[in-house]
Amino acid sequence: QQPVQSPQAVILREGEDAVINCSSSKALYSVHWYRQKHGEAPVFLMILLKGGEQKGHEKISASFNEKKQQSSLYLTASQLSYSGTYFCGTVNNNAGNMLTFGGGTRLMVKP
Amino acid sequence: EPEVTQTPSHQVTQMGQEVILRCVPISNHLYFYWYRQILGQKVEFLVSFYNNEISEKSEIFDDQFSVERPDGSNFTLKIRSTKLEDSAMYFCASTSLAGVNNEQFFGPGTRLTVL
Repeated sequence: QQPVQSPQAVILREGEDAVINCSSSKALYSVHWYRQKHGEAPVFLMILLKGGEQKGHEKISASFNEKKQQSSLYLTASQLSYSGTYFCGTVNNNAGNMLTFGGGTRLMVKP
Repeated sequence: EPEVTQTPSHQVTQMGQEVILRCVPISNHLYFYWYRQILGQKVEFLVSFYNNEISEKSEIFDDQFSVERPDGSNFTLKIRSTKLEDSAMYFCASTSLAGVNNEQFFGPGTRLTVL
């Protein structure tokens, strides 16, 4: 079963913040976040492993709550370059090799 | 910086024909993957490959699909008898020793159009 992402789409002005959520009905071992621009391949942002860690990369950070089986991606002071579709991918067990992607969140940042 | 490459970038084929999509993973990577993305939809896992064998596959990866690592560098996806619904973007990805819990590097994709 695929993880559920929300919201499906969001429009921001440059400099505004956004949160994208990813929820799974199955226990999560890790969560991967990717950004995809139109016509391009997904680009890796970060991985969060079981343990509830939080990671950050410049103004993009993420958290992972394994009890709630959720991860959230935080985009702070958004830039035009943040526009794209964000996908979370989940791994459901330690032995798994399968990354199951959510439906994506389309983010548009306007000047 | 090393990258995953894929050929061709666009493949047009007639329904029922066989196609082979090619990928060259990053040279020191050991885990390889194929994903597909139907236009406007999410990325879907097809298969993972490690140590010269399939380690996991999805329901999409039926008997019409096969993967191979014919030499030390290429990783191929074959679709034996293409259907209209196989039209999609196919991405190859690879990752290093630690497998799925490391970053998966995606190639630029092959757009497959089945007529």
